[in-house]
Amino acid sequence: EVQLLESGGNLVQPGGSLRLSCAASGFTFSSYAMSWVRQAPGKGLEWVSAIFGNGASTYYADSVKGRFTISRDNSKNTLYLQMNSLSAEDTAVYYCAKSPYYDSSGTNFDYWGQGSLVTVSS
Amino acid sequence: DIVMTQSPDSLAVSLGERATINCKSSQSVLYSSNNKNYLAWYQQKPGQPPKLLISWASTRESGVPDRFSGSGSGTDFTLAISSLQAEDVAVYYCQQYYSPPLTFGGGTRVEIK
Repeated sequence: EVQLLESGGNLVQPGGSLRLSCAASGFTFSSYAMSWVRQAPGKGLEWVSAIFGNGASTYYADSVKGRFTISRDNSKNTLYLQMNSLSAEDTAVYYCAKSPYYDSSGTNFDYWGQGSLVTVSS
Repeated sequence: DIVMTQSPDSLAVSLGERATINCKSSQSVLYSSNNKNYLAWYQQKPGQPPKLLISWASTRESGVPDRFSGSGSGTDFTLAISSLQAEDVAVYYCQQYYSPPLTFGGGTRVEIK
C-alpha cells in the first residue's frame, strides 16, 4: 500500500525558514517523480515544485522560485522541501504527491499524503 | 501559464440526479503526437487530501465508481456524476498536466439539494 507521510509543518515567523519531509513507503520511491502541492486555508490547490525520480531535474512555481528547494534522498525514501524567506502568503497545508511517471515534468498525481500545515505569522 | 477555469463554483443536486462540472483551459491540453488530453480530475472531501478520479480526460482510475465519467478534448472538459450519492459530496478540481507550471481549476463544490 502506498503511503506518504509529511512532517515538519509548524508556526514560523515571516522571513523564517522551515523544512518539510515526506516519508514514502509501499512503492519503489526512486522510480517516480514527486511533487509538493499546497492549499491555503479555504482555498484551492496550487502546485509548488516537482523533482524527477533520480533528482536530476527540478521545477518550481514562480511564486516560490528562488525561495524553496525540493530534494530527495532515495536511500531514505524521503522527499524534502526547504522553504526560506517565508511570508504570510505561504501559509497552507503542504501535500506530498506521487507522480505515476519517472521523469515527466507534466504529470498528474496518483497518491497524496495527508498534508502538513505551515503557518507563517508573527 | 495555462489557466484552468471551472464552472460552476458550486452546485446542489438531488440524490440520484446528475451533476455536471465544466473545466476550460486557456490553451489546448491535447498533445497531437499521441492524441491524448493531459487533463485530470480530483475529488477532495472535507479534511482529506485530493483523490485522483480521472486521467487523460476520460480514463477512470482503478476503484472509481462508474457513475463518474470524464469527457471533452482540447480546451473544454466535463466531469459528470450520473447518479449523485451522499458520499460524493466534495470539492472537485480539474488539473492540466500538459506543461509546467501544473495548474488546477478553482474547484467546484458539490452538495446535496
